[in-house]
This record gives sequence, structure tokens and C-alpha cells, in this order.
Amino acid sequence: AQRVTQPEKLLSVFKGAPVELKCNYSYSGSPELFWYVQYSRQRLQLLLRHISRESIKGFTADLNKGETSFHLKKPFAQEEDSAMYYCALTNAGNMLTFGGGTRLMVKP
Amino acid sequence: SAVISQKPSRDICQRGTSLTIQCQVDSQVTMMFWYRQQPGQSLTLIATANQGSEATYESGFVIDKFPISRPNLTFSTLTVSNMSPEDSSIYLCSVEDPSRPYEQYFGPGTRLTVT
Repeated sequence: AQRVTQPEKLLSVFKGAPVELKCNYSYSGSPELFWYVQYSRQRLQLLLRHISRESIKGFTADLNKGETSFHLKKPFAQEEDSAMYYCALTNAGNMLTFGGGTRLMVKP
Repeated sequence: SAVISQKPSRDICQRGTSLTIQCQVDSQVTMMFWYRQQPGQSLTLIATANQGSEATYESGFVIDKFPISRPNLTFSTLTVSNMSPEDSSIYLCSVEDPSRPYEQYFGPGTRLTVT
């Protein structure tokens, strides 16, 4: 069975500090991994996926198959990054399995 | 990206009644999904709705409790039947981007409170 774990429910940092939101997964096949974000009063939206290797809004995430991790990082947090972040995994059947989510609070 | 709307945006319902939630997409999509987000919890997939076939339900969800319709490629409904307070959740529909496999776009959600 596939499983996604986000160990931190809340992460609080100061503006300008580095951010790392942790995500670990368990899946026997080759996973497709995503980060979704939900800003206050907005709908859930895709932030990035591992296969695209893009940097979106300064965020990057590297898939580490050895550690089964897909941590989300940003070198300098901004106040507008405050949101709920969900790591998700999908299999070939398109079913998305979400982690429990991490609330990021960036303090001024 | 697809634009998804849901109706109603929220509702307060009495125990034992049923509520039908509508999901409308502005383009034709093959796969639509229904999720539940219970208070303080993450999203859990209820079922996958494909046009022209019966919905595929995940473990713990049954058709009698959550009947789904998918009459065409732009619309789906989820009914929450014989509601109890434990059904109080946000219900979200999502669609897969046809041009970007496995990427899903989400509707705004329907906040349901059962009293």
C-alpha cells in the first residue's frame, strides 16, 4: 500500500529564513510525487511535481529514492508562502494519496 | 488549466437526510475524482468517476452511501446519503489535466455540516 508521511503539522519560520517541509513515502513501484499548496481562502493547487524538475515560486523538491523522501525547500521564505502544504503520491491508476499536510507560517 | 466549480459551496443538513453536490468543469475531461477532507485531516479519495462507467470506490466507501453520477465529460455529482454528524467534512472534486497526466486540478470544495 502507498503511504505519504509529513512529520510536521506546523512549521514556523521567520521571513528570509530557509524552509524545508519534509515528506516521506512508501510505495513499491516508481512513484510520481507532487506538492500541492492551499493558501488561505483559496482552493488546493499544484505547486510542483518531481518529474518536471521546475522551481516554482522559489521552491524546489528533489526525489531521493534511497531515502524515499521528497522534501520541499526554499532558501528564503516570504510571508506570502504561509499556507498549507500537502505532499502527494500517485500510482499508474491516477489515485492520489495525500500526506497529512504541514502548515507553514512565515513570520515577519 | 481546467476551471472547476462546485455547488453548493456549503450547507448545513439534518441527520438522516441526503445532499447532492455538483461538480462542473469548463472542458471535457476523462477522469474526475471525489475527495473528502474531514476536520483537521488530510484529503482522502472517495471514488473515481469515469463517464460511461460505474464509479470506482476506494476502501471504506460504498456506493449506497456515496452514489456518484457522471452523465457527461464535464459534469459529475456526489450524493452523501443518510447523513450523520460524522459526514461533516469538506467534499472536493478534482479532474486530471488531459495534457499533463497525473496532475489534478481541484474545485473549491463543499463544506458540509450535519447536525
